[in-house]
Amino acid sequence: QITLKESGPTLVKPTQTLTLTCTFSGFSLSTSGVGVGWIRQPPGKALEWLALIYWNDDKRYSPSLKSRLTITKDTSKNQVVLTMTNMDPVDTATYYCAHTGAYSTFDYWGQGTLVTVSS
Amino acid sequence: QSALTQPASVSGSPGQSITISCTGTSSDVGSYNLVSWYQQHPGKAPKLMIYEVSKRPSGVSNRFSGSKSGNTASLTISGLQAEDEADYYCCSYAGSSTFDVVFGGGTKLTVL
Repeated sequence: QITLKESGPTLVKPTQTLTLTCTFSGFSLSTSGVGVGWIRQPPGKALEWLALIYWNDDKRYSPSLKSRLTITKDTSKNQVVLTMTNMDPVDTATYYCAHTGAYSTFDYWGQGTLVTVSS
Repeated sequence: QSALTQPASVSGSPGQSITISCTGTSSDVGSYNLVSWYQQHPGKAPKLMIYEVSKRPSGVSNRFSGSKSGNTASLTISGLQAEDEADYYCCSYAGSSTFDVVFGGGTKLTVL
């Protein structure tokens, strides 16, 4: 079965760079059509799409955050890494990674990881 | 790119039907049959309930259905049950030259 799990720091300071890792099993990111996305949710607020990486290394970013985001994959390790620079308290959120087999359909989600930005 | 527009809250009694709307634009909902809906209970990850406007993943109750007309997609839940009380989010593909993926602001469903 498909599972995903996010890992990374729970607390980062303003201006620091956040690095999150999504470790998955049950599928391969070298399979045509497959992708992994990152979505975040500030406490009490809505979901916000951040980035997507596809099997062919095509990378997509939210235009509003594109300058701060980098998404990469390590197919051999079954991992996708998201980095976000210049963190701010407004970036405090639960960050999810999710599997997609078709554009914006996220059919399997990780449990999420809460990242707090505070000095 | 603005988020898709959903009502902040809807409510219904057990056994009733409710519909949640999701209004986008001709650049997202109106252009692609790639609308999905997610259910999220407090403290939990979202769960896919509907994809490609009206398809249900295996294991999702047939009480959940989706549709689309123009720039507005809708999620209908029939035979409301207490466990349906949750937040619901719509999502649409928005084209690879623009926003790619856009979510709605979410709707809180209360089962009275």
